[in-house]
Amino acid sequence: EIVLTQSPATLSLSPGERATLSCGASESVSIRYLAWYQHKPGLAPRLLIYDVSARATGIPDRFSGSGSGTDFTLTISRLEPEDFAVYYCQQYGGSFVTFGGGTKVEIK
Amino acid sequence: QVQLQESGPGLVKPSQTLSLTCTVSGGSISSGDYYWSWIRQSPEKGLEWIGNIKYSGRTDYNPSLKSRLTISADTSKNQFSLKLTSVAAADTAIYFCARERAGYCSSTRCQGWFDPWGQGTLVTVSS
Repeated sequence: EIVLTQSPATLSLSPGERATLSCGASESVSIRYLAWYQHKPGLAPRLLIYDVSARATGIPDRFSGSGSGTDFTLTISRLEPEDFAVYYCQQYGGSFVTFGGGTKVEIK
Repeated sequence: QVQLQESGPGLVKPSQTLSLTCTVSGGSISSGDYYWSWIRQSPEKGLEWIGNIKYSGRTDYNPSLKSRLTISADTSKNQFSLKLTSVAAADTAIYFCARERAGYCSSTRCQGWFDPWGQGTLVTVSS
């Protein structure tokens, strides 16, 4: 089982600032099999990024993904008010799918 | 636009069977490109993939749940379902259904990303 560790647990930022979220894997994630999601309480999680860096349909270009091997990053270039939420990474190249523990992006 | 909605009891007694259904609208579960998945979220374990099914009936389960789990599909109703037997307090969670797009296939299984998700249903295991 590939364990994903997200850091930091909480990120306190102001609208307009840049957010950098990290996702570390316990072993190398095959090729490009990593996704990112945004989740707000009571709502369905929303796919942002798949295959490390491909934006899902309708996702603004202020969201970008990068990384390889065991280290991956989600960057939000300029935070909008609607971006304050919890973000999860997920890998799909191991023996089965696993998720990270999440990073909460909160308003400073 | 595909939408998913979970339904089922919100309270299950310990040792009993948890049963949930996911109704899909705006698209067919018989589409060959997708798998149909269950995921749960608890404070203790975070997000945990439970398992999936393809319209052909092929299933894939999380090894930690496999002995208690059955996922099935009813293409005539455009629904898929989850049954988890012998539940305990550790099975208390928000249960999500989701459409899974295969991004990686080995000789035995396909796995991928989830889009869209249902909004989830809370199931509490308690007497």
